[in-house]
Amino acid sequence: DTGVSQDPRHKITKRGQNVTFRCDPISEHNRLYWYRQTLGQGPEFLTYFQNEAQLEKSRLLSDRFSAERPKGSFSTLEIQRTEQGDSAMYLCATRDIAGYNEQFFGPGTRLTVL
Amino acid sequence: QKEVEQDPGPLSVPEGAIVSLNCTYSNSAFQYFMWYRQYSRKGPELLMYTYSSGNKEDGRFTAQVDKSSKYISLFIRDSQPSDSATYLCATSTGTASKLTFGTGTRLQVTL
Repeated sequence: DTGVSQDPRHKITKRGQNVTFRCDPISEHNRLYWYRQTLGQGPEFLTYFQNEAQLEKSRLLSDRFSAERPKGSFSTLEIQRTEQGDSAMYLCATRDIAGYNEQFFGPGTRLTVL
Repeated sequence: QKEVEQDPGPLSVPEGAIVSLNCTYSNSAFQYFMWYRQYSRKGPELLMYTYSSGNKEDGRFTAQVDKSSKYISLFIRDSQPSDSATYLCATSTGTASKLTFGTGTRLQVTL
């Protein structure tokens, strides 16, 4: 257990529904990253925050995706109007910008869109 | 073409064998190189971290980076069944930058 938690661990939804995932970082970590991993592939970067500021978004992050990190603590990733292609593992990682260069990953949220 | 290429395997070796895992990359701006291990249905965990070219050893694991050929390697000595997992190479341009991963190589160590 890295200390990064994600909720829920699994989510099954029907196409067209909205879903929201939550990531709780290690408390002193001010950088938070979201990645998406599909079967047989490595994680792909989606977006990252330094404290509450969203500093970079991947072109993978369509306008159906939105992420927030209010008050620089937990973060949420919302997918609107889900599509079957959104089925993947959504991983959150955090790091302390002043410390060792390790990104600590949470266990992920596995999304299945029917 | 992906920025980081990695053979997906699967790679099956007997217990005690030396395992060699490799990646190539195309972006010369990559300065930091990592190997992560991922067990089924878990998040990746960092195994090795290297800055620029050179070797780094940690127990049974050795990471090598050759920036001139854009080649990254991980060697596992005396492999154990508990080493069975997917190994992901990752790179970044800066210490706090996003990570760019390879596809991962699935390793199976058999008794």
